[in-house]
Formats: sequence, structure tokens, C-alpha cells
Amino acid sequence: EVHLVESGGGLVQPGGSLRLSCADSGFTFSRHWMTWVRQAPGKGLEWVANINDGGSEKYYLDSVKGRFTISRDNAKNSLYLQMNSLRDEDTAVYYCASLGQWGEYWGQGTLVTVSS
Amino acid sequence: DIVMTQTPLSSPVTLGQPASISCRSSQSLVHSDGNSYLSWLQQRPGQPPRLLIYQISNRFSGVPDRFSGSGAGTDFTLKISRVEAEDVGVYYCMQGTQFPHRYTFGQGTKLEIK
Repeated sequence: EVHLVESGGGLVQPGGSLRLSCADSGFTFSRHWMTWVRQAPGKGLEWVANINDGGSEKYYLDSVKGRFTISRDNAKNSLYLQMNSLRDEDTAVYYCASLGQWGEYWGQGTLVTVSS
Repeated sequence: DIVMTQTPLSSPVTLGQPASISCRSSQSLVHSDGNSYLSWLQQRPGQPPRLLIYQISNRFSGVPDRFSGSGAGTDFTLKISRVEAEDVGVYYCMQGTQFPHRYTFGQGTKLEIK
């Protein structure tokens, strides 16, 4: 069974940086595209970024381009999201997910709060 | 970008009664491979989303058969034949047709018990 566990969330000031991690167990991580999705408090789901199995192909939500970087380490079965120049509107629960074209597997999420 | 629009945004339902949620996409979700990648997700309070239906009408593993999906092109529907207490939460439609470039979600429909 797929088990995705996020970590690294917390409180950060506007303009600051944070690195989220996602550890996988239970499936062949290195064969799958991986995704970050976020959810602002009381709001809906918003796709943030995708990365292919080898890490060479990446796609981003326009509002995070140039500020966020998705990466992975297949040897460690881990996914990352480096978030720089954080803004108030980046406050959200960030989910690590393996969605394919269907939306199958989601982690429990980690909360990022951007506030002074 | 494809915009996904759900109606209603809130749905009070009596236990044991049916419920229906609509989702409309701003352009056809038919992929070049002929499939339509429209999914329905359920998010119970305090939980991550969970896949219910994929490719318009296929129930994911472990999903009760009271959930069904239908539609084509740009118009899709999720139906719950008899609502149970555990169905309370927010339901999202999601398009995966533009994968890997992006995913898009509907705004969400809150299902609550009258």
C-alpha cells in the first residue's frame, strides 16, 4: 500500500524560505510522476508542481514559478519542495501526491504558515 | 487553462436520500488517447482527499457502489444513491487530461446532512 508522509512545514515570515519533504513507502517511487498540491485554510485544492520519474521534467503553477523548486531523490524514495520568497498567500496545507491521470494517492499534508 | 466549475457549492441532504453534484469543464476533457480523465475526490473533515471515481465512471478500489459517475465531453455528474453519515465532506472534480502539465480542480461541493 502506498504511504506518503510529508514533513518540514511550519511558521515562516514573508520573504522567507522553507523546504518540504515527502517520504514514500509501499510503492515503486522511482517509476512514478510526483506532485505537490496545496489547500489554503477553508479553501479548495490547488495544484502546485509536477516532476517526472527521473526528475528531468518539471511543471509549475504560474504563481510559484521562479520561487518554488520541486525535486526528488529516488535513492532515498523522497520528494522535495523548496519554497523561497514566501508570501502570505502561500499559507496552506501542502500535500505530496502520486496522482497519475486519476488522482490516486495522497499524503496527510503538512501545514505552512507565512506570517509576520 | 481548463476551468472546472461545480454546482451546487453546498448540498444539504437527508440521510438515505440521493445527492447529485455537477461539474462542467471549460473545454472538452477528451484526451488524444480517447479517454476522458475526469475524477471525483472526497475530502472528509480533517482528512486528505480520497479518490472515488476515475475516468468519469469507474469506482476506485474500496469505494461503495452507492457512488456513481457519469457524463461526457464537458459535463459530468457524481451521484450518491443513498447518503450515509460518513459521506459528509467536500467533493471535488479534477481533470487529469492536461497531465503532466497541470491538474485543475473544481471549487468543491460541501455535502452536509439536513
